[in-house]
Amino acid sequence: QVQLQESGPGLVKPSQTLSLTCTVSGGSISSATYYWSWIRQPPGKGLEWIGYIYYTGNTRYHPSLKSRLTMSVDTSKNQFSLKLSSVTAADTAFYYCARDSPSPTRGRVYDPWGQGTLVIVSS
Amino acid sequence: DIQMTQSPSSLSASVGDRVTITCRTSQTIDNYLNWYQQKPGKAPKLLIYAASDLQSGVPSRFSGSGSGTDFTLTISTLQPEDFATYFCQQTYSILYTFGQGTKLEIK
Repeated sequence: QVQLQESGPGLVKPSQTLSLTCTVSGGSISSATYYWSWIRQPPGKGLEWIGYIYYTGNTRYHPSLKSRLTMSVDTSKNQFSLKLSSVTAADTAFYYCARDSPSPTRGRVYDPWGQGTLVIVSS
Repeated sequence: DIQMTQSPSSLSASVGDRVTITCRTSQTIDNYLNWYQQKPGKAPKLLIYAASDLQSGVPSRFSGSGSGTDFTLTISTLQPEDFATYFCQQTYSILYTFGQGTKLEIK
């Protein structure tokens, strides 16, 4: 079955850029059925949708992050990535990637998820 | 933006109990509502999508209902492995917001 795995630095300095990659295995990222999303969760807090990317490169971002966020996809590697610039302590969170299946009858379904990776923003 | 109000924020129950968690949205979202279970140190796991559809592999003691603005997640007979935090999520409009979570603890 499809599995997702996040990777990237666990510690980022304030004002620098947070970069994460999600590797998809067991299925193709180029499937026309799916979008690929990022979701984050500050330790001990709730979940926040960050954005999604389609295999063609089309993206949609959370409005509050749009000015700092870039997502990309590499279909040859079956990976998609996130870059968040000018980070502050408020960006400290567990970052999850997830497969996103939109449907007009059921909305968007997020499954499966990666195991998540903790990114701490600190000097 | 659609606001999510999930209640209760915490709940103590015993194995074998029937438990209900509620999620209310600030505007109608049809049936575009997901429920997730999250255990400490793990990613959320999808339980219910489209308000009432059980995700493959999820035990039938979990059920969801509702439409419009009011939704419920019910666990019919609590098992030890069900003690976790539960989140609802609306996927009707961008931001795809989550409820603040319900922590289900052992009484």
